[in-house]
Amino acid sequence: DAGVIQSPRHEVTEMGQEVTLRCKPISGHNSLFWYRQTMMRGLELLIYFNNNVPIDDSGMPEDRFSAKMPNASFSTLKIQPSEPRDSAVYFCASRPETGRGTEAFFGQGTRLTVV
Amino acid sequence: GNSVTQMEGPVTLSEEAFLTINCTYTATGYPSLFWYVQYPGEGLQLLLKATKADDKGSNKGFEATYRKETTSFHLEKGSVQVSDSAVYFCALISSGSARQLTFGSGTQLTVLP
Repeated sequence: DAGVIQSPRHEVTEMGQEVTLRCKPISGHNSLFWYRQTMMRGLELLIYFNNNVPIDDSGMPEDRFSAKMPNASFSTLKIQPSEPRDSAVYFCASRPETGRGTEAFFGQGTRLTVV
Repeated sequence: GNSVTQMEGPVTLSEEAFLTINCTYTATGYPSLFWYVQYPGEGLQLLLKATKADDKGSNKGFEATYRKETTSFHLEKGSVQVSDSAVYFCALISSGSARQLTFGSGTQLTVLP
């Protein structure tokens, strides 16, 4: 298995533009997580899906952020309009629901820079 | 809600020194506990885990024991190497229906030759 695949790896965009980050979870995994990592705030959970349904989106910073999971093999995180303070590394992770101790597997991340 | 508290970093050690990174947690029910490691420019990867009280997780010379009485899962290594330099995250998954993955703030470790 190729693991969790995120694209793009790097994104540079101008303030005000729309940005879409993509994630392909590991096949068969039921849960998907989006995280944001910054030096100031560390690793923050943005949203969590289970069986393609958003379970907890309380970490989504504001209405400019939205996430979708149209099927079990694809999720997007969209920022519209983007702002410089959105610059961060965004990670996607997936996890199977096979037992208590099963860990989450992370993608390589997307480094977003908004100028 | 669930939470994980890690010792503040950064931590700087000389090669072959003993390492302890403290981690305590608050959770309902019986969570599973994890340590993840993040090398520069990479995503997080699992280092070790424990699923019930008194379990010991181990990998690559690192160990951590699930202590329910003290709600702790401290990471230890007897002799660190330069290649262990990374950020270490303590995490838990709750046993309830939410199954959220909650992380600590991370601890930056630098090992000097």
